[in-house]
Amino acid sequence: AQKVTQAQTEISVVEKEDVTLDCVYETRDTTYYLFWYKQPPSGELVFLIRRNSFDEQNEISGRYSWNFQKSTSSFNFTITASQVVDSAVYFCALSEEHNFNKFYFGSGTKLNVKP
Amino acid sequence: KAGVTQTPRYLIKTRGQQVTLSCSPISGHRSVSWYQQTPGQGLQFLFEYFSETQRNKGNFPGRFSGRQFSNSRSEMNVSTLELGDSALYLCASSWGHITLSNEQFFGPGTRLTVL
Repeated sequence: AQKVTQAQTEISVVEKEDVTLDCVYETRDTTYYLFWYKQPPSGELVFLIRRNSFDEQNEISGRYSWNFQKSTSSFNFTITASQVVDSAVYFCALSEEHNFNKFYFGSGTKLNVKP
Repeated sequence: KAGVTQTPRYLIKTRGQQVTLSCSPISGHRSVSWYQQTPGQGLQFLFEYFSETQRNKGNFPGRFSGRQFSNSRSEMNVSTLELGDSALYLCASSWGHITLSNEQFFGPGTRLTVL
């Protein structure tokens, strides 16, 4: 079974629109870690955020915000006032306490921001 | 601080050959993980090395192997190449201790094409 599901394959928005990328995860561990990465066309994965399972506080960093809800096993990512430079593939990932450096990645969501 | 470096960036091989990819982690990081990225299978964990020992392994055949040197640099080897091994191979660097956080920082990748 997929440990991380990103149901949205591709999303297109117009610049300045807000957009939310969904991520649903599955694990039996009580301690686990969630991540978001951005992969621009250049190919390099860029780290955006890490969350552990004990920290359900939402986080905001500039135009980016993350909503972690253990009750629904979701860790969604919102970009406010999107810009063309936000165009990329975004990956959600999970690692578990017993193998904390083994990341399970979702299939990614390709975000197209049009001017 | 220098980021993760991978060499070579591009590689073209023929079926049956073998290939060695190299990764230099961020200074101070002792863990190196390798991932394979393909359009069909997405990002898949290959293995992780920490202090010159393989600490984790994904579900790949024995043709995929790796090693880590005392300076934390890592190499990945694929023997008897198959067409399906064509992929972007990504190396990720991290501290290796969960107390120091486990976010992974990725290199630019090696694009391997098998003809």
